[in-house]
Amino acid sequence: DSGVTQTPKHLITATGQRVTLRCSPRSGDLSVYWYQQSLDQGLQFLIQYYNGEERAKGNILERFSAQQFPDLHSELNLSSLELGDSALYFCASSVAGGATGELFFGEGSRLTVL
Amino acid sequence: GIQVEQSPPDLILQEGANSTLRCNFSDSVNNLQWFHQNPWGQLINLFYIPSGTKQNGRLSATTVATERYSLLYISSSQTTDSGVYFCAVRMDSSYKLIFGSGTRLLVRP
Repeated sequence: DSGVTQTPKHLITATGQRVTLRCSPRSGDLSVYWYQQSLDQGLQFLIQYYNGEERAKGNILERFSAQQFPDLHSELNLSSLELGDSALYFCASSVAGGATGELFFGEGSRLTVL
Repeated sequence: GIQVEQSPPDLILQEGANSTLRCNFSDSVNNLQWFHQNPWGQLINLFYIPSGTKQNGRLSATTVATERYSLLYISSSQTTDSGVYFCAVRMDSSYKLIFGSGTRLLVRP
């Protein structure tokens, strides 16, 4: 158990819908990262938050948005869903917001768009 | 951007065999991690090893940062070692952890 909690574990929805994925970081960790793992793209970095502020952005689509709340949990919102958004979405956390330090990953949220 | 290459892409072993997985990266890094993704999709931390050598049971890892590679050794492999092994790196100028494409390992009984 990494200490990073993600909900829901599985989600099935239809094209055009909107979903919210939730992440609680390890106790004491201030940084949260979101990754997408699809069959053809591997593990892709989406976005990072540090202590409530956006720190780095990757290949995140405009239909996707995220935020980190004062209690440090984070949510990833996916809207106008397309078939290609089906993937495993991971959240990770680390103590610091810089370029060093170990990341710990949650068990992921598996999204299926039909 | 930085490139992370893992080899071999696929590996089939008989239970009890040893193996070496390699990770090459194209630029200086200050963070390198090895992960095991099990058949259920969980990403499990194996090593945080920006440089040097570490051992944990049957697994060990070595990173030679000056030569831009890292090795993961698996000894006396077990069927539960099956899955995908990822190397991931971070540069000093970037916050994101960049993953290689992984080595898919199958250990047969």
